[in-house]
Amino acid sequence: GAVVSQHPSRVICKSGTSVKIECRSLDFQATTMFWYRQFPKQSLMLMATSNEGSKATYEQGVEKDKFLINHASLTLSTLTVTSAHPEDSSFYICSAILGTGGEKLFFGSGTQLSVL
Amino acid sequence: KQEVTQIPAALSVPEGENLVLNCSFTDSAIYNLQWFRQDPGKGLTSLLLIQSSQREQTSGRLNASLDKSSGRSTLYIAASQPGDSATYLCAVTDYKLSFGAGTTVTVRA
Repeated sequence: GAVVSQHPSRVICKSGTSVKIECRSLDFQATTMFWYRQFPKQSLMLMATSNEGSKATYEQGVEKDKFLINHASLTLSTLTVTSAHPEDSSFYICSAILGTGGEKLFFGSGTQLSVL
Repeated sequence: KQEVTQIPAALSVPEGENLVLNCSFTDSAIYNLQWFRQDPGKGLTSLLLIQSSQREQTSGRLNASLDKSSGRSTLYIAASQPGDSATYLCAVTDYKLSFGAGTTVTVRA
């Protein structure tokens, strides 16, 4: 079946550094990928929709200059948390759509970001 | 390894009928369980979040129950409407997030 690979699974960084998270569709082309964030004891929240070859669409309240999304190919989308701060510590997860009609959504296994 | 199963994979009902969606998970050591809705071509919409200490959550026509000891959750949607047609996913959080494959619901007008 279709697989979405997300790396790294866990990252610990110092405040002020930037962290890049990769999301790859391993055996299918994903024109659309989604990035989510989940704080402890809260629901998963959609951050942005990433479309290959175009600018990402951010949800209200998500800073696009803070969370840079690049979807340069049909199999790779990256999320860069720039100048990370402790309040950015969260669980980040990506997903990719299989099928032009959005029939199936596949998820990465997530990245736990801890900013010291 | 946590495995999340959703039954049935697809469901078609006439408008007005109540919907019952099932989710089971293999490892009961979870922090919470969530139900999501996905519309074609769009990201997830969070519906309900049940903490591990809770047994149910309600929001409008939606009610979700959690029996952690038996590894089960059920999502009830009362008086279904065509606008309820979507794919519904459950997910459990232990040390990571594990999703079921989803139940695709079609509500016929």
